[in-house]
Amino acid sequence: EAGVVQSPRYKIIEKKQPVAFWCNPISGHNTLYWYRQNLGQGPELLIRYENEEAVDDSQLPKDRFSAERLKGVDSTLKIQPAELGDSAVYLCASSSRQETQYFGPGTRLLVL
Amino acid sequence: GEDVEQSLFLSVREGDSSVINCTYTDSSSTYLYWYKQEPGAGLQLLTYIFSNMDMKQDQRLTVLLNKKDKHLSLRIADTQTGDSAIYFCAEKTSYDKVIFGPGTSLSVIP
Repeated sequence: EAGVVQSPRYKIIEKKQPVAFWCNPISGHNTLYWYRQNLGQGPELLIRYENEEAVDDSQLPKDRFSAERLKGVDSTLKIQPAELGDSAVYLCASSSRQETQYFGPGTRLLVL
Repeated sequence: GEDVEQSLFLSVREGDSSVINCTYTDSSSTYLYWYKQEPGAGLQLLTYIFSNMDMKQDQRLTVLLNKKDKHLSLRIADTQTGDSAIYFCAEKTSYDKVIFGPGTSLSVIP
């Protein structure tokens, strides 16, 4: 069974540029999460989807971040415009059962 | 608010047991997790325990939960160099949010 797929794996951009990350969850997983992991810290939830619906986006900085999961499968997270402080690893995870999440390899973003 | 704390570093000799400790604040948490992260990789679920359990064993891994003290530990028996990684403790809160600790960096000395 394929795991959670994320692309790109690395991205370097200049500040004020837009950037987008893509995630394809494990087949059949209805719940999809986007996390941000700063250096030396644990992941912090940005947004959680149940199928197409964003059920928890309380930690998503909505002035510059947006996300979508139009068909309830893959998802895109966008930052526009990017700031220096957005440099981090962006992790996608999915789950089908309430108790377990499976993580993708992450996208490492560097904003210069 | 919810918080999960861990010591940041642990160093052990190969073949010894490692014990990584974690404390959390939400007494209504439902599940508690241990994840492993190797350099440049995502988080790998190692094991989890339901909040009404005291202990769970899975091969070299033993999880102990003291719900009264809100303390969780992960014991790795016969620690190998391949166990060197960052270990994250996490709790699932009563409203289904997973909160991660800062991670404990385990170094195994050959």
